[in-house]
Amino acid sequence: EPEVTQTPSHQVTQMGQEVILRCVPISNHLYFYWYRQILGQKVEFLVSFYNNEISEKSEIFDDQFSVERPDGSNFTLKIRSTKLEDSAMYFCASSVETWGSPLHFGNGTRLTVT
Amino acid sequence: KNEVEQSPQNLTAQEGEFITINCSYSVGISALHWLQQHPGGGIVSLFMLSSGKKKHGRLIATINIQEKHSSLHITASHPRDSAVYICAVIPFGNEKLTFGTGTRLTIIP
Repeated sequence: EPEVTQTPSHQVTQMGQEVILRCVPISNHLYFYWYRQILGQKVEFLVSFYNNEISEKSEIFDDQFSVERPDGSNFTLKIRSTKLEDSAMYFCASSVETWGSPLHFGNGTRLTVT
Repeated sequence: KNEVEQSPQNLTAQEGEFITINCSYSVGISALHWLQQHPGGGIVSLFMLSSGKKKHGRLIATINIQEKHSSLHITASHPRDSAVYICAVIPFGNEKLTFGTGTRLTIIP
């Protein structure tokens, strides 16, 4: 069965550094999402992406964050200057439709900012 | 106030018991998801509902749109069902999936 794959599984970075989290969504999916989960807290929506542009973003998704689909397969989340509070598990997901079809999640990237 | 409330927060049961996890939400929704988060952190979609009832194996999900309430049932529970079960809703008019805090289920052999 097709899967959403995320790399790396764990990223450690120093405060102020830029990080890029990578995702390969399922190939026939059109809608792509990033979510994050701070340890011990609930999952939070960050951003949705469709037709090569952001369709929705949350208050968390400020100017430090950006997303890109640089080619036909990868979907990336960039954090320009990481802060300690960016430490979290970041999940990528994809779906065929915006809300009428199931979401498929990747296994997540655990980001640790020191 | 959270838009999505789940109960109970924690549930421990013996193998074989019938399990019910509840989800209440306060906004109009396009759809509701039930998700399973494994101890390692990965998330799996179990159901997506906009009305009625769905069944997959030992899992059953129901939704009452008028009452803004959904339930996830597990029949003949098994230790491998131990996980965090998360309810998440898509409010009308946007794509921002809003998550509950999850129910941690532990099934004891």
